[in-house]
Amino acid sequence: AQTVTQSQPEMSVQEAETVTLSCTYDTSENNYYLFWYKQPPSRQMILVIRQEAYKQQNATENRFSVNFQKAAKSFSLKISDSQLGDTAMYFCAFMSFSNEKLTFGTGTRLTIIP
Amino acid sequence: DGGITQSPKYLFRKEGQNVTLSCEQNLNHDAMYWYRQDPGQGLRLIYYSQIVNDFQKGDIAEGYSVSREKKESFPLTVTSAQKNPTAFYLCASKDEQFFGPGTRLTVL
Repeated sequence: AQTVTQSQPEMSVQEAETVTLSCTYDTSENNYYLFWYKQPPSRQMILVIRQEAYKQQNATENRFSVNFQKAAKSFSLKISDSQLGDTAMYFCAFMSFSNEKLTFGTGTRLTIIP
Repeated sequence: DGGITQSPKYLFRKEGQNVTLSCEQNLNHDAMYWYRQDPGQGLRLIYYSQIVNDFQKGDIAEGYSVSREKKESFPLTVTSAQKNPTAFYLCASKDEQFFGPGTRLTVL
């Protein structure tokens, strides 16, 4: 069974700073996807970024980028030029090709301070 | 606009009553999923369906039931057998990249 670990329950940074959220996972699979989701106070889950394990290049979406280290089973999220609207819970998730079910971490509560 | 709708947003029920949560999508997605979210525990998979008239148990299916009679609809019934039903319930579709707004169920 896969597990996803987010070791930072809470983080806070000043507006416009850069912040990195950590995620590690455990799997015996070779082909899988990794995701970061954002859940603002409205509780709507929003996909932030997605990484295919077979791609060596790290995924980037505007101010959001990942550092994917497959051998280390690490998948961190970097938010650059943080904005007040980035305040939310962030969840890391894993999905293998074989069963197409998502396994979530317990989340990191990120607060952007004005 | 295409998307996933869940109704109602808030739901209150007395202990011992069954309750059905609605999930509808107009995205033409085959796969649909139900999650439960509790504080400090992230999301846990209850049931999922890859195609009409077929569904599988997730990690915490006990006390829940689903049906998938139409591609657009995947209702979740929380039965009286679910020992701790108060939670936030999220429906999703297609590789779980599209989520509904959720239903907060409170059992009194």
